[in-house]
Amino acid sequence: AQTVTQSQPEMSVQEAETVTLSCTYDTSESDYYLFWYKQPPSRQMILVIRQEAYKQQNATENRFSVNFQKAAKSFSLKISDSQLGDAAMYFCAYRTPLNSGNTPLVFGKGTRLSVIA
Amino acid sequence: EAGVAQSPRYKIIEKRQSVAFWCNPISGHATLYWYQQILGQGPKLLIQFQNNGVVDDSQLPKDRFSAERLKGVDSTLKIQPAKLEDSAVYLCASSLDQTGTVPYEQYFGPGTRLTVT
Repeated sequence: AQTVTQSQPEMSVQEAETVTLSCTYDTSESDYYLFWYKQPPSRQMILVIRQEAYKQQNATENRFSVNFQKAAKSFSLKISDSQLGDAAMYFCAYRTPLNSGNTPLVFGKGTRLSVIA
Repeated sequence: EAGVAQSPRYKIIEKRQSVAFWCNPISGHATLYWYQQILGQGPKLLIQFQNNGVVDDSQLPKDRFSAERLKGVDSTLKIQPAKLEDSAVYLCASSLDQTGTVPYEQYFGPGTRLTVT
């Protein structure tokens, strides 16, 4: 079974600074998808960024980028120019593609990010 | 486009009582998921529907939990009787029906926070 590990329960960052959240995963699959979700106090899970395992290029979305190391099974999230609105729980998630049909997400335990003004 | 709707947002019950949660997915989304998120953990899949059929319910405690998706649209998740360890946030998510190998994004509702006393 696939597992996702986030070893940092809490992180903090100064406003406008950069922070990196860590994630490792365990899988025997060669093709899969990785995600970072943000969950603010409203509890709404919001997709931040996704990475396809077959792509060597790291995904970027504005201030958010990932460092995907497939051999090391590592998938970290870098947030640049941190803003107060970035404060939330961040979950790393894994998903196996199938030839047909959707598959559920496997989540880590999350990292709580605080942004200090 | 309207998002995934869930109700109620909060529910407090005593142990051994029953409770039901409702989810209305995004229009046209064939796949619907129910996740359980215990405090301090990431969401865990309970059950997955494809239209009105069950795809995966391997982690659903079937002695007390039940779910249905009549007509392949709305879904209801029921707990009877509730236990203290059922206290959690119950998240509903939906996605388009996958036809190839690239999974569609899952959209999450705001969740229902259940407290069992």
